[in-house]
Amino acid sequence: SQKIEQNSEALNIQEGKTATLTCNYTNYSPAYLQWYRQDPGRGPVFLLLIRENEKEKRKERLKVTFDTTLKQSLFHITASQPADSATYLCALGVQAGTALIFGKGTTLSVSS
Amino acid sequence: EPEVTQTPSHQVTQMGQEVILRCVPISNHLYFYWYRQILGQKVEFLVSFYNNEISEKSEIFDDQFSVERPDGSNFTLKIRSTKLEDSAMYFCASSEVGTGISYEQYFGPGTRLTVT
Repeated sequence: SQKIEQNSEALNIQEGKTATLTCNYTNYSPAYLQWYRQDPGRGPVFLLLIRENEKEKRKERLKVTFDTTLKQSLFHITASQPADSATYLCALGVQAGTALIFGKGTTLSVSS
Repeated sequence: EPEVTQTPSHQVTQMGQEVILRCVPISNHLYFYWYRQILGQKVEFLVSFYNNEISEKSEIFDDQFSVERPDGSNFTLKIRSTKLEDSAMYFCASSEVGTGISYEQYFGPGTRLTVT
């Protein structure tokens, strides 16, 4: 059956360190993968999209990698700050304009 | 920056009542979606809508649910006879989609539906 797993439910790191979040999937052939940030009681906020033919994408302190052989995406936040504390969701899409399938999310806590 | 808006932010209704959740997608977007998130669980797809018709729906989207684009800006989700298990956050999303256009889906802030 199709499955998306985000490596852990919670990740605690110190300010200034790099946070690395993992998204693994099975029995999917996604065309693209998106990462979102979700704060409690709020809607997901789009961060980055990476396509199946791209290895890496960057935006400011954020970096996403996509390995279709390993069926894995890594999401990095460098020089993390307490304001980065939130739940981060990965979502797979198999075709433009169709459903996104979400993982359960990893809750990141950055302490000062 | 353009954003998806949703009203109301919180809706309380009694079991068996009809509710309509409203969304205004980003103006130049062509695809519209509804998702829901039960407290503590993952975001789940309900339905997508393109060119005035449903393009995809999930098993959750049964006959109790319907969607409509009543005018050029609004997109609505109707639940005909609400059940306790319909209590969740409902998110509207939209995307541009087209040749050479990005596929990102942008989400609204959500409507918290509480069925009592």
